[in-house]
Amino acid sequence: EAGVAQSPRYKIIEKRQSVAFWCNPISGHATLYWYQQILGQGPKLLIQFQNNGVVDDSQLPKDRFSAERLKGVDSTLKIQPAKLEDSAVYLCASSLGFETGPVNTEAFFGQGTRLTVV
Amino acid sequence: AQSVTQLDSHVSVSEGTPVLLRCNYSSSYSPSLFWYVQHPNKGLQLLLKYTSAATLVKGINGFEAEFKKSETSFHLTKPSAHMSDAAEYFCVVSGASGTYKYIFGTGTRLKVLA
Repeated sequence: EAGVAQSPRYKIIEKRQSVAFWCNPISGHATLYWYQQILGQGPKLLIQFQNNGVVDDSQLPKDRFSAERLKGVDSTLKIQPAKLEDSAVYLCASSLGFETGPVNTEAFFGQGTRLTVV
Repeated sequence: AQSVTQLDSHVSVSEGTPVLLRCNYSSSYSPSLFWYVQHPNKGLQLLLKYTSAATLVKGINGFEAEFKKSETSFHLTKPSAHMSDAAEYFCVVSGASGTYKYIFGTGTRLKVLA
């Protein structure tokens, strides 16, 4: 079974530039998460989708970050403009979804995109 | 709101001695709980999970955890530490708010001394 795919794996940009990350979840997974993991910290949930609807985006800095999940499958996360403090690993994860019950809430993670803002 | 607290940011043990990594959660619902391990510059690997079945959960690499509802805890243990266990460990709570947000603790860095 194919896992969660993310691209690119690495990205270096200058501050004030824009950047986009792409995620392809496991086939059939309704729930998709984006996390930000700053070096030395735990992953912080940025946004959670259920199919193509947003369940929670309370931690997403909406003045510069945006995310979409068209057709309830692939997702993109965009930062515009980037700041130095956005340097982090951005993780995408997916799960079958809470509507299918608690046993199916385990999330599967991609390898992440390491963003460096200089 | 749901949350998870990892009580120790750093834990050091000698090789061959027991490991205890502590995790407490807050929840208004019956949560699912998970432990992940992350080695340096590597991805997240699931160690074990609790999803309302048996309260004592066995995972990979000899790790296990016990769900204690009365104490709102889900501590991770291993009888004998190995050098390869040195890594960052994360406790995760899900389902505690009804929407199955997947919330990570701040992590515990485990150091294993020779």
